[in-house]
Amino acid sequence: GEDVEQSLFLSVREGDSSVINCTYTDSSSTYLYWYKQEPGAGLQLLTYIFSNMDMKQDQRLTVLLNKKDKHLSLRIADTQTGDSAIYFCAESMRGGATNKLIFGTGTLLAVQP
Amino acid sequence: KAGVTQTPRYLIKTRGQQVTLSCSPISGHRSVSWYQQTPGQGLQFLFEYFSETQRNKGNFPGRFSGRQFSNSRSEMNVSTLELGDSALYLCASSSHDGSYEQYFGPGTRLTVT
Repeated sequence: GEDVEQSLFLSVREGDSSVINCTYTDSSSTYLYWYKQEPGAGLQLLTYIFSNMDMKQDQRLTVLLNKKDKHLSLRIADTQTGDSAIYFCAESMRGGATNKLIFGTGTLLAVQP
Repeated sequence: KAGVTQTPRYLIKTRGQQVTLSCSPISGHRSVSWYQQTPGQGLQFLFEYFSETQRNKGNFPGRFSGRQFSNSRSEMNVSTLELGDSALYLCASSSHDGSYEQYFGPGTRLTVT
């Protein structure tokens, strides 16, 4: 089935680390993504991970993938007020060569100064 | 390189009318996907085009249609608009069929009154 779940809200203080979690159900997913959406804007691709990887680091961002539990997380180090946004995880449905993405519900990250 | 562009950015229509939205992908990208974003349903896949062919279609009524031109630009059309069609419509482009990097445009905000 196609279902991606995220917690709705996360509040952190500036300078702390943020961890946003996501669970997915389709074990055939081959790529998993994190997108950021600021108010009134489209989706910004932050990072992605192949399903055969456990971890990927990109500057302040660390993605962890637990394929056994179908759990994906995004850690933002040294969170800044500019990181306040909605974060979406998404899985790609790669059967039959498609670019279709299934998105989670989104997590609103609020960074307190 | 210019990003994904969508026109118009904002649109107000009345029930029963039809609307056409346009998406220009990143130069050289041949795959375009469309998504609808609403507060209630989140981000939902509409359809996907590659080299002028529809590769995949989401669970939307036949009032929603799209096409892709030889220059990879894409349009989507919604006929007989309903209040529930009010949403942010997002377009994503990627360089080839099955590419793992998809970049989104800023979206078209459609309001149906």
